[in-house]
Amino acid sequence: DQQVKQNSPSLSVQEGRISILNCDYTNSMFDYFLWYKKYPAEGPTFLISISSIKDKNEDGRFTVFLNKSAKHLSLHIVPSQPGDSAVYFCAASSNSGGSNYKLTFGKGTLLTVNP
Amino acid sequence: GAVVSQHPSRVICKSGTSVKIECRSLDFQATTMFWYRQFPKQSLMLMATSNEGSKATYEQGVEKDKFLINHASLTLSTLTVTSAHPEDSSFYICSAAPTSGIQETQYFGPGTRLLVL
Repeated sequence: DQQVKQNSPSLSVQEGRISILNCDYTNSMFDYFLWYKKYPAEGPTFLISISSIKDKNEDGRFTVFLNKSAKHLSLHIVPSQPGDSAVYFCAASSNSGGSNYKLTFGKGTLLTVNP
Repeated sequence: GAVVSQHPSRVICKSGTSVKIECRSLDFQATTMFWYRQFPKQSLMLMATSNEGSKATYEQGVEKDKFLINHASLTLSTLTVTSAHPEDSSFYICSAAPTSGIQETQYFGPGTRLLVL
């Protein structure tokens, strides 16, 4: 049972345009959401996060939107750059029930930004 | 800030030997560290949660006697793969959650590629 889903395995975008990566979750206890970027054979790099008490968080070119009622979040990258090409993982955590901030990851979306 | 290192980055060993992987938080203290495993083109699979000064909590299906975890200090956790076999070959990644600050955010190490012959 996958609690965090990234239904698009890949996404291709032109340089300068907007990249929108989507993520859906099923566990209503999740209260913190994160996006990580990962290159092959490297560890994930933290990009941006959002608490469930907010619906938007922005950091430079990266904006994360959270729609709690739809259990959906998205990562917007604008403008997209070729260096953004990587696998993007959505992750969620819950601090309830002693879960100790464990992260549940989606399967990732491969973003390719074409020059 | 928030740098996590792993050592070694790559290791090749013979079947039946044990391999130790170190995970260090370089510029922050981490009461909790996590160990993940990633198979090719798959997501990260949480193996265990490591708490400083106490026993690790293993996820379902992960053999605690095979994957020994020690979290001896607030900046160091080790994963020992005991009696490694070829099916243990994988990419192992650790992460650390800061003791202070936003504890929900985990910072990841660069990973260790293990190949068991």
